[in-house]
Amino acid sequence: GENVEQHPSTLSVQEGDSAVIKCTYSDSASNYFPWYKQELGKRPQLIIDIRSNVGEKKDQRIAVTLNKTAKHFSLHITETQPEDSAVYFCAASGAAGNKLTFGGGTRVLVKP
Amino acid sequence: EAGVVQSPRYKIIEKKQPVAFWCNPISGHNTLYWYLQNLGQGPELLIRYENEEAVDDSQLPKDRFSAERLKGVDSTLKIQPAELGDSAVYLCASSLDPGLALFFGPGTRLTVL
Repeated sequence: GENVEQHPSTLSVQEGDSAVIKCTYSDSASNYFPWYKQELGKRPQLIIDIRSNVGEKKDQRIAVTLNKTAKHFSLHITETQPEDSAVYFCAASGAAGNKLTFGGGTRVLVKP
Repeated sequence: EAGVVQSPRYKIIEKKQPVAFWCNPISGHNTLYWYLQNLGQGPELLIRYENEEAVDDSQLPKDRFSAERLKGVDSTLKIQPAELGDSAVYLCASSLDPGLALFFGPGTRLTVL
């Protein structure tokens, strides 16, 4: 089955700086890659997603890039703010019945 | 539009007791998922329904876990008997169709003593 690895596990950045989280996946047939943000004690919330026919997608301060050949995708947060502090999860889906497999998460801390 | 609803939000039980969780997905969403999330980890799929049919239950520990979605809308996940290691957050999620964006409920935090 699909295996998704996420790095780093923790990330501390100064307010205003950029944050980058990277994920790799194992199944070349995967074609849907969402990112979720989870604040402490709350539900994971979808923040951006990308499909395998697109290499990059941007929404205000967040962007996701996908490299199908290398089987990795990344989340970029620019001009970070304290409210960006949360755990971020990447996921991959598409093959074998559209099962969504999550990475282990990255805890992001934005220091004011 | 109302989101995914789950109840209860918190449950504390003693080991060997039964427990049940309820989920009401977003209206019109045909696909319903139950995920388990341990502290500090990503969600892990337990079971996926498309309408009334369980299409992926390969990760569901069937000796103690069961689930149903009788009318293709609400779903119930049951554990009987509960074990200490079952302590976790149980997340329900739904999507319009498989392969589309998935939306989570607030989860049920289960503590087994």
